[in-house]
Amino acid sequence: QKEVEQNSGPLSVPEGAIASLNCTYSDRGSQSFFWYRQYSGKSPELIMFIYSNGDKEDGRFTAQLNKASQYVSLLIRDSQPSDSATYLCAVYLMDTGRRALTFGSGTRLQVQP
Amino acid sequence: NAGVTQTPKFQVLKTGQSMTLQCAQDMNHNSMYWYRQDPGMGLRLIYYSASEGTTDKGEVPNGYNVSRLNKREFSLRLESAAPSQTSVYFCASRDRGGSYEQYFGPGTRLTVT
Repeated sequence: QKEVEQNSGPLSVPEGAIASLNCTYSDRGSQSFFWYRQYSGKSPELIMFIYSNGDKEDGRFTAQLNKASQYVSLLIRDSQPSDSATYLCAVYLMDTGRRALTFGSGTRLQVQP
Repeated sequence: NAGVTQTPKFQVLKTGQSMTLQCAQDMNHNSMYWYRQDPGMGLRLIYYSASEGTTDKGEVPNGYNVSRLNKREFSLRLESAAPSQTSVYFCASRDRGGSYEQYFGPGTRLTVT
């Protein structure tokens, strides 16, 4: 089992719809969870981070965390074509001993105009 | 404030050649990281430096060496390049306290023929 897993997609949604991106992780003791957006040919940029169970909202973005299920998700409301990118889930895994983020392979989102 | 800078942006090497990828940050961050990104594989950690004077192996360290030259600079060296090292290399940095957010440089696209 991969340490951080994401569906590679592509996930295709129409403009204005809600896009739902999911991520599972292996280490039950993990505490910090991040969503990065990466446009083609560019470096990752942070969109959201979440540390506590529940929802965290920032504009059109909502991160959801369920530590019992080892599951974190990102919802994008009112999706725009400019949201088309690869979304990377990153987790600070405690059981690896590495003091660094571990990334999933990313989900490619396509927003159709 | 340039953030994280990387040189070069592009490089083509022949098998067996050596080179050093340079990374510098001007945010006074303690921790620095080198990742590689291959299609469908997400970001994989090569080496990291939690603080000046220390370096540790990540998931995929074989074939690489690193030097934390000072607090600002963290270089990645390929002693004898192989085609399997064709990838995009990202440097990142993080402040020690607070969030585990990592800030990324623009990347170096390396091709080994």
